[in-house]
Amino acid sequence: GQNIDQPTEMTATEGAIVQINCTYQTSGFNGLFWYQQHAGEAPTFLSYNVLDGLEEKGRFSSFLSRSKGYSYLLLKELQMKDSASYLCAALDSNYQLIWGAGTKLIIKP
Amino acid sequence: GAVVSQHPSRVICKSGTSVKIECRSLDFQATTMFWYRQFPKQSLMLMATSNEGSKATYEQGVEKDKFLINHASLTLSTLTVTSAHPEDSSFYICSARTEGPGLTPYEQYFGPGTRLTVT
Repeated sequence: GQNIDQPTEMTATEGAIVQINCTYQTSGFNGLFWYQQHAGEAPTFLSYNVLDGLEEKGRFSSFLSRSKGYSYLLLKELQMKDSASYLCAALDSNYQLIWGAGTKLIIKP
Repeated sequence: GAVVSQHPSRVICKSGTSVKIECRSLDFQATTMFWYRQFPKQSLMLMATSNEGSKATYEQGVEKDKFLINHASLTLSTLTVTSAHPEDSSFYICSARTEGPGLTPYEQYFGPGTRLTVT
């Protein structure tokens, strides 16, 4: 079966760095997405990785290792507004997104 | 760019009635639209995928006669919850996908969601 695993909840301090991990098992693989979702709102796109390596975009970076079925989202210089759920989703061989359950990130002052 | 609207944002209806939710891509033509539901503190659950002019493909366990999807044009899809019951109360989110140079392949653009409460 297809499966995405990510931690349910993480806590970090304002100004610090946090890494949210995601492992995936899918039938075929055509890339991995990270989305941010604030409570009661729709998800917004953060990143897309299809090749191995690190993609940096401002305070947020995303890493992919296809051989390990592993990705992480790195958030630097955390701000209170970064408190949200972070959703990992893998694109399978049919180009369908397989969603993880999301990681709720709590930022403390 | 790539804005998706959803209407209404909130709706309260009585048990047994039907509710229609609209999803529009405002500044692009969507090749595919998706409908999700999300329960509190849970992730997105894909209900169905629709392409303009063809029947929607429903995920296993989703009743197609209860959740009617019409994808009438490249910018509009509707979800009608028929004979709604309290257990249908949820957050319904649509998304749209398009193709083109310079775009992230297979990225989905999400609408703001519709909070449905059935009393």
